[in-house]
Amino acid sequence: NAGVMQNPRHLVRRRGQEARLRCSPMKGHSHVYWYRQLPEEGLKFMVYLQKENIIDESGMPKERFSAEFPKEGPSILRIQQVVRGDSAAYFCASSPGTSAYEQYFGPGTRLTVT
Amino acid sequence: GENVEQHPSTLSVQEGDSAVIKCTYSDSASNYFPWYKQELGKRPQLIIDIRSNVGEKKDQRIAVTLNKTAKHFSLHITETQPEDSAVYFCAASSWGGVVIKAAGNKLTFGGGTRVLVKP
Repeated sequence: NAGVMQNPRHLVRRRGQEARLRCSPMKGHSHVYWYRQLPEEGLKFMVYLQKENIIDESGMPKERFSAEFPKEGPSILRIQQVVRGDSAAYFCASSPGTSAYEQYFGPGTRLTVT
Repeated sequence: GENVEQHPSTLSVQEGDSAVIKCTYSDSASNYFPWYKQELGKRPQLIIDIRSNVGEKKDQRIAVTLNKTAKHFSLHITETQPEDSAVYFCAASSWGGVVIKAAGNKLTFGGGTRVLVKP
């Protein structure tokens, strides 16, 4: 019973490049959340998605960031034209959706912008 | 929106002693309060949670208490062991079980408590 999967685990991008982060939820989970963790800080909510729907993107920066969760395949968090301030750990979490209190986290993608 | 404050930011205890971490929240609509443990470079792991219809919950050496009136909740770790050393995060959400209540599904985290258990 695989847990939440994220890839890549580490990603290095130069300023101005694009970063694509992938998240596969736990089997049977239809709800995905993305959080960002800056060094030595707590986790901040970014976006909440279900299959083919963005439910809440109130934590997403208005520009350069986008997310999707297609009918088939993983959820994708996309950051265009990365800047040094985007360097962080990006975690996704999934929940079942019916008794959706619990959220289980993936191992995270550590993005470094050089 | 919701705001969660967590104290202390660091906590050093002797092995075998108890550790207590406290969190306060601002949104009276919050009804779900999980605690996560994060070891260095690892994912946050759900260790215990409590819902607003319960005042206390215990799981072996870990317990959580909730005071809805005062809007605060606490994590208690008894008989601490070196492997309890980690960063602990509290969180709150107002999940209502209804998909359209979008704003309530996200977790708002406290700033974290770095716990060091000295052998």
